[in-house]
Amino acid sequence: DSGVTQTPKHLITATGQRVTLRCSPRSGDLSVYWYQQSLDQGLQFLIQYYNGEERAKGNILERFSAQQFPDLHSELNLSSLELGDSALYFCASSLSGGIGSPLHFGNGTRLTVT
Amino acid sequence: TQLLEQSPQFLSIQEGENLTVYCNSSSVFSSLQWYRQEPGEGPVLLVTVVTGGEVKKLKRLTFQFGDARKDSSLHITAAQPGDTGLYLCAGEGEYGNKLVFGAGTILRVKS
Repeated sequence: DSGVTQTPKHLITATGQRVTLRCSPRSGDLSVYWYQQSLDQGLQFLIQYYNGEERAKGNILERFSAQQFPDLHSELNLSSLELGDSALYFCASSLSGGIGSPLHFGNGTRLTVT
Repeated sequence: TQLLEQSPQFLSIQEGENLTVYCNSSSVFSSLQWYRQEPGEGPVLLVTVVTGGEVKKLKRLTFQFGDARKDSSLHITAAQPGDTGLYLCAGEGEYGNKLVFGAGTILRVKS
């Protein structure tokens, strides 16, 4: 058990809809990362937060947004969903986000867009 | 954009055989991490290498970071069925952010 909790585990929704994925980091970790994993693209970095502030941005679409709240949990909002957004979405946390900080991953949210 | 190429993509071997997985890039990384992922779960960190030329051993697994910090390898000795899984290398940017993952190597060890 990594200590990172993601909810929900599975989500099935229709194209055009909006969903929110939730992540509770490991106790004491200040940094939260979001990744998207699909069969053809592998594990793609979306965005990183550190203590409530955005630290780094990856291949995150404009239709997607995220935030980290004062209690350090994070949410990833996906809107105007398309079939191609179907994927596993992982949240990870680390103590500081500094060089060499190990990432602890949750078990992911499987999103299916129909 | 920093890209990491992993090879091979798939590896199916018999129990007891040795294998090596490679992770290459044209970019320099401040650190290189190796993860293992099993179906239905998130990746789990195996090791982090930080210094060029560094070698780390974890039981039957040996990890090496290239001198120029652009490549890494994972060597497994006497593979066992429990080693089956997806192995991912990940390179860390200059400021410790934006961990970039390779596409992964699917390893299957048959008994």
